Amino acid sequence: GQQLNQSPQSMFIQEGEDVSMNCTSSSIFNTWLWYKQEPGEGPVLLIALYKAGELTSNGRLTAQFGITRKDSFLNISASIPSDVGIYFCAGQLGGQNFVFGPGTRLSVLP
Amino acid sequence: EAQVTQNPRYLITVTGKKLTVTCSQNMNHEYMSWYRQDPGLGLRQIYYSMNVEVTDKGDVPEGYKVSRKEKRNFPLILESPSPNQTSLYFCASSAALGSVEQYFGPGTRLTVT
Repeated sequence: GQQLNQSPQSMFIQEGEDVSMNCTSSSIFNTWLWYKQEPGEGPVLLIALYKAGELTSNGRLTAQFGITRKDSFLNISASIPSDVGIYFCAGQLGGQNFVFGPGTRLSVLP
Repeated sequence: EAQVTQNPRYLITVTGKKLTVTCSQNMNHEYMSWYRQDPGLGLRQIYYSMNVEVTDKGDVPEGYKVSRKEKRNFPLILESPSPNQTSLYFCASSAALGSVEQYFGPGTRLTVT
């Protein structure tokens, strides 16, 4: 089936640093999504991207829909301890058919 | 408070003993789905439902059943659980087909020995 690749798999950063992670696919998606999952909870939608080239921000988070429609990246600026969690990208094939990446685990050191 | 609830949150069971994980949403959402989450694999869709009495298979439906008799509830049934169904399960709902805003429940961690 469809697969998404996320990199890095995990990262440890100092509080205040900027973070960048990306998601790639061999398939084209119409919509890219970024979710955050905190321990013991379900994923929560952070950003949705609908058009190739689109750049969207949500507070300190910025995400872009790649021009080829096969990739997306997420940046977090000035990280804080509550940014800790697993970040998932997801592509929407159509309807409610979503494909999720394996996640990037972010740890923020004080 | 708008939410998706799942019960139980944790379950340890033995091979072959039928179990049901319940899911309920209070947002009057039409669409509901079940995912399993395994290390390194992300979330994979098991089954989904577009409305009452309308269900369909996702990517990994083998070994699972679902039903949608009421709009708010979407239970996941494992008739004869096996160890390879040990996983973290999430229920999700969204307002309509095609909506990207999925609301996830807190998860059910299932261990089958």
